[in-house]
Amino acid sequence: GEQVEQRPPHLSVREGDSAIIICTYTDSATAYFSWYKQEAGAGLQLLMSVLSNVDRKEEQGLTVLLNKKDKRLSLNLTAAHPGDSAVYFCAVSVGNMGYKLTFGTGTSLLVDP
Amino acid sequence: GGIITQTPKFLIGQEGQKLTLKCQQNFNHDTMYWYRQDSGKGLRLIYYSITENDLQKGDLSEGYDASREKKSSFSLTVTSAQKNEMAVFLCASSMDGNSDYTFGSGTRLLVI
Repeated sequence: GEQVEQRPPHLSVREGDSAIIICTYTDSATAYFSWYKQEAGAGLQLLMSVLSNVDRKEEQGLTVLLNKKDKRLSLNLTAAHPGDSAVYFCAVSVGNMGYKLTFGTGTSLLVDP
Repeated sequence: GGIITQTPKFLIGQEGQKLTLKCQQNFNHDTMYWYRQDSGKGLRLIYYSITENDLQKGDLSEGYDASREKKSSFSLTVTSAQKNEMAVFLCASSMDGNSDYTFGSGTRLLVI
């Protein structure tokens, strides 16, 4: 089955710097890609999702890049601020069916003021 | 806007006890999910349901039962709590299998 690796597990950046989180997946049929943010004591909040026909998507200071050749998905937070401190998860599914999302293990991001 | 509510927020159980977690959503979403979150292991799918009265096993269904008696609610039962077990159980819903998920805030379980 699908395997997803996420790195780094912990990331600390200064306010205004960029933060990059990377996931790699194994199944070439993977067609749905998403990123979630989890703040302390809360559930997961969807940040962005893309289908396999999209290589790059930008929204509100976030950039998602998809490299299907290398089976790599990345999330770039440009100009991070302390409110971005949280745990981030990638989640993917085969085909374009979200029934069975496979999650990465999470990245704990700390943004120092 | 809609909301997805999980109860209870915290659950302390005893070894061997049967424990039930509840999830309600008012989005009128068809599909609902239960995930277990353990530190350093991401989220693992326990059960999901694509419509009322439907149940599908996920990767971690052993030791759990689920029930979808109404479209708006999805409950999960830990059939026999394991001593020292500690995890967060997250419920989610989506319009259908092709849609983004909305998550509840979780139930934190501790078994003593």
